[in-house]
Amino acid sequence: GAVVSQHPSRVICKSGTSVKIECRSLDFQATTMFWYRQFPKKSLMLMATSNEGSKATYEQGVEKDKFLINHASLTLSTLTVTSAHPEDSSFYICSARQVGQPQHFGDGTRLSIL
Amino acid sequence: RKEVEQDPGPFNVPEGATVAFNCTYSNSASQSFFWYRQDCRKEPKLLMSVYSSGNEDGRFTAQLNRASQYISLLIRDSKLSDSATYLCVVNPVLSGGYNKLIFGAGTRLAVHP
Repeated sequence: GAVVSQHPSRVICKSGTSVKIECRSLDFQATTMFWYRQFPKKSLMLMATSNEGSKATYEQGVEKDKFLINHASLTLSTLTVTSAHPEDSSFYICSARQVGQPQHFGDGTRLSIL
Repeated sequence: RKEVEQDPGPFNVPEGATVAFNCTYSNSASQSFFWYRQDCRKEPKLLMSVYSSGNEDGRFTAQLNRASQYISLLIRDSKLSDSATYLCVVNPVLSGGYNKLIFGAGTRLAVHP
């Protein structure tokens, strides 16, 4: 079945650090990738949608300068949390899909900012 | 009003029990509906899609009532391994060739021996 790999799975770093998270579709070409964030006991919240080769579409309330998304190829999207602060600590999950197919989720990145 | 609402639970049931989860959605133009399962500290995994006619997959039955904007999931003969959070997921509209999913906050199920 379709596999989406997310790396790293766990990050602990100091406040002010920028953190990059990678999302790769391993056995298919993902025309669209999505980035979600989930706080404890809360629902997944879509942060942004990215199509290969074009700028990401951010959801309302998500700062595009804070959460930089690059979808450079059909198999790779990256999310960079710039100058991360403790309130950015969360579970970040990507998903990827081909047209007409369901989304496949990566296994998530748990980010802790001290 | 939240776009997708679920009872957070938890539902604590013994093995073998039948349990039902409900979900309501606010956007009447929603096109597709799903149940996902999420284990603690893991990513969500698709459990099943929900069709207007209702559909069944083994011990799991999903129902959709478009008039009431209501979705349900029934689990029969609960197993310990069913313990997880069940997420009701709605695709509000079909647009641009890709799907935007709206997740409910989930209903926790704990099956005990």
